[in-house]
Parts: sequence; C-alpha cells; structure tokens
Amino acid sequence: GQNIDQPTEMTATEGAIVQINCTYQTSGFNGLFWYQQHAGEAPTFLSYNVLDGLEEKGRFSSFLSRSKGYSYLLLKELQMKDSASYLCAVKETGANNLFFGTGTRLTVIP
Amino acid sequence: DADVTQTPRNRITKTGKRIMLECSQTKGHDRMYWYRQDPGLGLRLIYYSFDVKDINKGEISDGYSVSRQAQAKFSLSLESAIPNQTALYFCATSEGKNQPQHFGDGTRLSIL
Repeated sequence: GQNIDQPTEMTATEGAIVQINCTYQTSGFNGLFWYQQHAGEAPTFLSYNVLDGLEEKGRFSSFLSRSKGYSYLLLKELQMKDSASYLCAVKETGANNLFFGTGTRLTVIP
Repeated sequence: DADVTQTPRNRITKTGKRIMLECSQTKGHDRMYWYRQDPGLGLRLIYYSFDVKDINKGEISDGYSVSRQAQAKFSLSLESAIPNQTALYFCATSEGKNQPQHFGDGTRLSIL
C-alpha cells in the first residue's frame, strides 16, 4: 500500500523561495511525480524523480531521497501566478497507476 | 485545441439518473485514466485502460463503468447517480509506463 503526506497549506512572499515537502510509504517505489494545479483547472506535470538527487528545471527543482521516503519541490523567485496546489504522486513497482497525495495549496503574497 | 477534451464541462443532474462523461484525446496515447477529485481527498483513480481491449478497476470503481470505444475515446458512466458522486472528474492520458499523465480540463458534476 501507500501513504503520501504533504502539508495542506503554505504561504510565501513574492520573490522568495519555498520548499514543499512530500513523504511517502510504499511497498515498492518506482518514481515520484510533481504536478501543479490552479484552482478549478487541470493538473499539469512539473517533474519526475526516480533516482536520488536533485532535478532542476528553471525556477522549479525537485529532490528525492528513496531511503528516507522523501521528496521536495523547490520554487525559486516566486511569482503571484505560482499560487496553486502542488500534488505529489507516487508510482509503485508493479502498479499501473499513480497514487496522489492530497496536495499543498500555496498562496503567494505581495 | 486541447489535447485531452472532456465533455460536458459542467453537469447538474438528479439522483438515479444515468450519466455519461466523455473523454477524447489527440495525443495518440494508449493509456487513459478516469479520476475523481474531492476536497481534502486528492485525486482517486476510478478506472484505467491501456488499450481498446484492456479495462481495469482503480481504487474506487463501485458505482461506475467505462467504455473504451477507440484508442482516442474513453467514457465514464454513472449508472444510477447518487449525491456522494458529486465531484470534479478528470480524464488523463499517458504515453507509457513511467511517463507523466496529461489531464483534461475536468467535468464538474453535481448530483442533487
């Protein structure tokens, strides 16, 4: 089975850096995805980690530690448009689908 | 044009009615999925299909059925809608096993 945990809400200031954490417990890990979802809209893919370490993609980076069952999404130079929910999703070995966390709602304030 | 199109975008209906939600894609992906999203619960998988002849139940398939009419089309039916099926429903596609999923814009369904 799987247990995915993220903070429910976070607030950060425009121009700052914010780190959104995700912890998981699975019977067999086979990758972790981060998605962004603006209110009432479709989730959109941000990043994918399957090996330990940091993946950087512009202002967004994602980190994975498989031994700790831990990932984070790092957002730099925050902009107002980054206000959204951020969803962590885990792929298990042998499973054909993703298991999603409940998401972290990020509010960026001026 | 959207790569993954869901219709309708909004629907209000009554308890006991049969409802069909449609999903079509132009991405050429074999894998298609139906999820529902509820506040505080996140996205939960209802059904998924890896090709036209392959249908699989997800976490919460009770009360739902699906049809994969073609590679590009995957529809979700509620045979007899009940109020606790009120939710935001998303269709998604993916190219392969560990590839990201691409979501449609969602259908907001309200059952009175």
